Amino acid sequence: EAGVTQFPSHSVIEKGQTVTLRCDPISGHDNLYWYRRVMGKEIKFLLHFVKESKQDESGMPNNRFLAERTGGTYSTLKVQPAELEDSGVYFCASSQPLLAGGRTGELFFGEGSRLTVL
Amino acid sequence: ELKVEQNPLFLSMQEGKNYTIYCNYSTTSDRLYWYRQDPGKSLESLFVLLSNGAVKQEGRLMASLDTKARLSTLHITAAVHDLSATYFCAVEWSGWYSGGGADGLTFGKGTHLIIQP
Repeated sequence: EAGVTQFPSHSVIEKGQTVTLRCDPISGHDNLYWYRRVMGKEIKFLLHFVKESKQDESGMPNNRFLAERTGGTYSTLKVQPAELEDSGVYFCASSQPLLAGGRTGELFFGEGSRLTVL
Repeated sequence: ELKVEQNPLFLSMQEGKNYTIYCNYSTTSDRLYWYRQDPGKSLESLFVLLSNGAVKQEGRLMASLDTKARLSTLHITAAVHDLSATYFCAVEWSGWYSGGGADGLTFGKGTHLIIQP
């Protein structure tokens, strides 16, 4: 079974440009999460989708970041316009609830998309 | 706000030695995770600790949880080179019990472990 896949694995862009990161969760996983690790800092929660609905986006840094999950399948994270401080590794994770509508089960992480803003 | 402190952040040790990584967290939680990450790879789940006093072992790694002290440890026994990686602890927060539907993990900064022959 395919795991969580992320694309691109590495993106280098200039300040002010736009980048869109994509995450394909494990098939059938309702929960989808985005996390980010900026160099030398902790891995930080960005947001949580349950199917196509955003449950919590309190971790999104600012309104230059937009996450979507069309039809409750794959998700995209767009950064527009990108700034230098957006550089880091963006991780996606997915899981199934332990019970219908209940707490999350085990999280499975993708390999991350490394974003470098010059 | 949930805070997770992990130490040490960097550890270089020799094969055959034992060592412990510590993870302290600031508020009550009923789930704690340990992950391993190799360079350029995804976070691999090692252990999920669900209750006070929980102890889990896999090979040379053993993790424990003391929810009263808000402390988890990852103990490495007779280290081998293949265990070189970055290890993260992560504490789960959840709005599920209060009727909310969101949850997430707060991570420590990670322990970069190098095991030398």
